[in-house]
Amino acid sequence: KAGVTQTPRYLIKTRGQQVTLSCSPISGHRSVSWYQQTPGQGLQFLFEYFSETQRNKGNFPGRFSGRQFSNSRSEMNVSTLELGDSALYLCASSPLAGGPGDTQYFGPGTRLTVL
Amino acid sequence: KNEVEQSPQNLTAQEGEFITINCSYSVGISALHWLQQHPGGGIVSLFMLSSGKKKHGRLIATINIQEKHSSLHITASHPRDSAVYICAVKRSQGNLIFGKGTKLSVKP
Repeated sequence: KAGVTQTPRYLIKTRGQQVTLSCSPISGHRSVSWYQQTPGQGLQFLFEYFSETQRNKGNFPGRFSGRQFSNSRSEMNVSTLELGDSALYLCASSPLAGGPGDTQYFGPGTRLTVL
Repeated sequence: KNEVEQSPQNLTAQEGEFITINCSYSVGISALHWLQQHPGGGIVSLFMLSSGKKKHGRLIATINIQEKHSSLHITASHPRDSAVYICAVKRSQGNLIFGKGTKLSVKP
């Protein structure tokens, strides 16, 4: 099976712009989670989707949003970009509804730089 | 105080040494994960634990639920083990919370 894919891999934007990142989960996986990784804060949970419904949301401002499509592909959007949004954005998929025994499979990430 | 604490932050070892990375947490959890991140960003899930001990090759992970503590051991370390090791806990109701990671460097 192909792994989790994320596009684009690298992105440069300027402050105030918006950005959309895409994640295609492993075939058959229905749960997709998004994470932000920065040198200062480490990995932080953004949101989790299962069957097109947002199940959990992390402590991020409303500028961060996401959605999941019927084929389980997911997108996240960041509006009005700030310098502090520069980070590696990781997507992970899992087969089930994010239960305790559910292993997550991570994509390679999208490295976003905001100038 | 972070809900997930890892120690040490940085670790340098000689090839062949036995390595231990520790993780303590302060919240109720349903599972604990150990992740490995290589330079370039790719993350691999090594273990998922809810009790006891698991072994995979030279890697061993243990968890003590009562003490809210987990350890990751690497036996006969090798330079290819050099990576950042991240502990993450799955909250009883919700998402993963991550430790800051332990950067391991194994010298030949």
